[in-house]
Amino acid sequence: NAGVTQTPKFRVLKTGQSMTLLCAQDMNHEYMYWYRQDPGMGLRLIHYSVGEGTTAKGEVPDGYNVSRLKKQNFLLGLESAAPSQTSVYFCASSYLTGGGNQPQHFGDGTRLSIL
Amino acid sequence: QKEVEQDPGPLSVPEGAIVSLNCTYSNSAFQYFMWYRQYSRKGPELLMYTYSSGNKEDGRFTAQVDKSSKYISLFIRDSQPSDSATYLCAMSGVTSGGYNKLIFGAGTRLAVHP
Repeated sequence: NAGVTQTPKFRVLKTGQSMTLLCAQDMNHEYMYWYRQDPGMGLRLIHYSVGEGTTAKGEVPDGYNVSRLKKQNFLLGLESAAPSQTSVYFCASSYLTGGGNQPQHFGDGTRLSIL
Repeated sequence: QKEVEQDPGPLSVPEGAIVSLNCTYSNSAFQYFMWYRQYSRKGPELLMYTYSSGNKEDGRFTAQVDKSSKYISLFIRDSQPSDSATYLCAMSGVTSGGYNKLIFGAGTRLAVHP
């Protein structure tokens, strides 16, 4: 019973490099989300998806792109990494809108450092 | 001003103490109020949720919502070392293009020492 799985768990990049963070969920959830967590800032929504083939911008989308080609997978891409993107990235999923009775289920995060 | 304000702590208490964690918010449209618990190097997990105002109890945990004051609380009774974690409040109810936005507080770090 894996839930939400994120890969990789850790990564160090140089400024200007690109990479893709992978998220997979096995709960048949419609909604998926990418957050970043920074000290004192809480979780901030980057992008989200309400179903296969759809994506939308969240609170802090600049510098990131996403794709949801399959219902169970949600990919987050950094085209040209910047030091300001050093953060812990969390993927989450939920059945519908993630309200109180439909909680978001989180992965254990990807710790990304940009030098 | 942030939509949700939460004291970051850290909060250090002895085992067995009653812990009170709080958040204030500014958006009166919030309807669902949640508390997530996050252990070190793990993702957040839902601990409790409350719809609108009132209290909800689950074992040693009690969640309170006061919409008139825009204030929510989480009480932990008989705190245990295993309760040591960061507690995030979260709220939703504001739609944006059909999506029910979930807004998180910054989290309060709690340490319960034996």
